[in-house]
Amino acid sequence: DTAVSQTPKYLVTQMGNDKSIKCEQNLGHDTMYWYKQDSKKFLKIMFSYNNKELIINETVPNRFSPKSPDKAHLNLHINSLELGDSAVYFCASSQDAGGPQETQYFGPGTRLLVL
Amino acid sequence: AQSVTQLDSQVPVFEEAPVELRCNYSSSVSVYLFWYVQYPNQGLQLLLKYLSGSTLVKGINGFEAEFNKSQTSFHLRKPSVHISDTAEYFCAVNKAAGNKLTFGGGTRVLVKP
Repeated sequence: DTAVSQTPKYLVTQMGNDKSIKCEQNLGHDTMYWYKQDSKKFLKIMFSYNNKELIINETVPNRFSPKSPDKAHLNLHINSLELGDSAVYFCASSQDAGGPQETQYFGPGTRLLVL
Repeated sequence: AQSVTQLDSQVPVFEEAPVELRCNYSSSVSVYLFWYVQYPNQGLQLLLKYLSGSTLVKGINGFEAEFNKSQTSFHLRKPSVHISDTAEYFCAVNKAAGNKLTFGGGTRVLVKP
């Protein structure tokens, strides 16, 4: 059983399009995250939610909008896609309030390519 | 602000040889330290973490890491690697009162037969 799942696994789209990436965790965790991994493998947090409430909102263009319909889901919607948005996007979750000592569990990633 | 430096971007190593991956961090406050591994085309998974107590931390798959506060380092070691250890390894830090995990740039380990 997959603990943290993401769909789609691959996403190829044109500049200017709007797309969404879905994430679900079946671990019963309270906190979920979105990370962006660039072509040099550098991994940076974008957002985190705890029980559907936004906790972390890094310096991310407002074209990116996370949505958490319930604590098991955290989706990422991207408007007006740009070439620089091409990256691997990882969803993750942790058990409690996103405390600094918690282990984060990562999904398999969504590889986004903007043409 | 905290930061993490992984000094080696790539480490080629022969099967059954030892490997050490270096990680240094910068923070003005107490931190928690983590090593995650990313196998090809997969998400990250935790190898080990240091929260407090003994500075030598043992993790999964035979890996261990040593926290050195004076050197601000958290180097990862394995005495004998397998082909299956070929992966990208990430060191990460979180402030003891923080909520944001900061990752290093990663070290790619390529195990050769």
